[in-house]
Amino acid sequence: GNSVTQMEGPVTLSEEAFLTINCTYTATGYPSLFWYVQYPGEGLQLLLKATKADDKGSNKGFEATYRKETTSFHLEKGSVQVSDSAVYFCALRGYNNNDMRFGAGTRLTVKP
Amino acid sequence: GAVVSQHPSRVICKSGTSVKIECRSLDFQATTMFWYRQFPKQSLMLMATSNEGSKATYEQGVEKDKFLINHASLTLSTLTVTSAHPEDSSFYICSASPSGALHYEQYFGPGTRLTVT
Repeated sequence: GNSVTQMEGPVTLSEEAFLTINCTYTATGYPSLFWYVQYPGEGLQLLLKATKADDKGSNKGFEATYRKETTSFHLEKGSVQVSDSAVYFCALRGYNNNDMRFGAGTRLTVKP
Repeated sequence: GAVVSQHPSRVICKSGTSVKIECRSLDFQATTMFWYRQFPKQSLMLMATSNEGSKATYEQGVEKDKFLINHASLTLSTLTVTSAHPEDSSFYICSASPSGALHYEQYFGPGTRLTVT
């Protein structure tokens, strides 16, 4: 079945550092890929998405490129801020499924 | 647009009682809603898919008699945790998929934290 594997945390960075959170997936067909962010005590918010190979999703300085050849969707940001501290989830939605598969989440802490 | 609300945001109940959680799509109609459960520091686990006007589809290992789901309208799905026990304490999150959405987009609610004492 479909699954998502993402880098284990926690990740602690200093402000303005470069961020990479790795995410790889296993899926049949042509899945859509997502990154969600969860702030403390809140639900998930869509951060970015990509629906086909080579698409790049971007939002709030975060980027991720859908790489079919490596089955990856790594999240990157060039300069993190304290306000980026949250848990980040990589997720996959099968083309013909109405459900999602989530990675385990990576907790990011950015220190001033 | 595409806002999903949940009520309540937090609830504390005694062991053996039942708790109802509501999930509403505020500005769109949702033929399908999903219920997830999230344990501390873990990912979301799909519990069931709620379809308007029909029975919910439960994931393997989820007790349908314990977690009652009712999707009575295109904007409301409810999850009732019956005879709650402390091990049911968790963060419950719903999502809604707009009717007719080409790519089955999902929008998530803010979650409900259930504590069973």
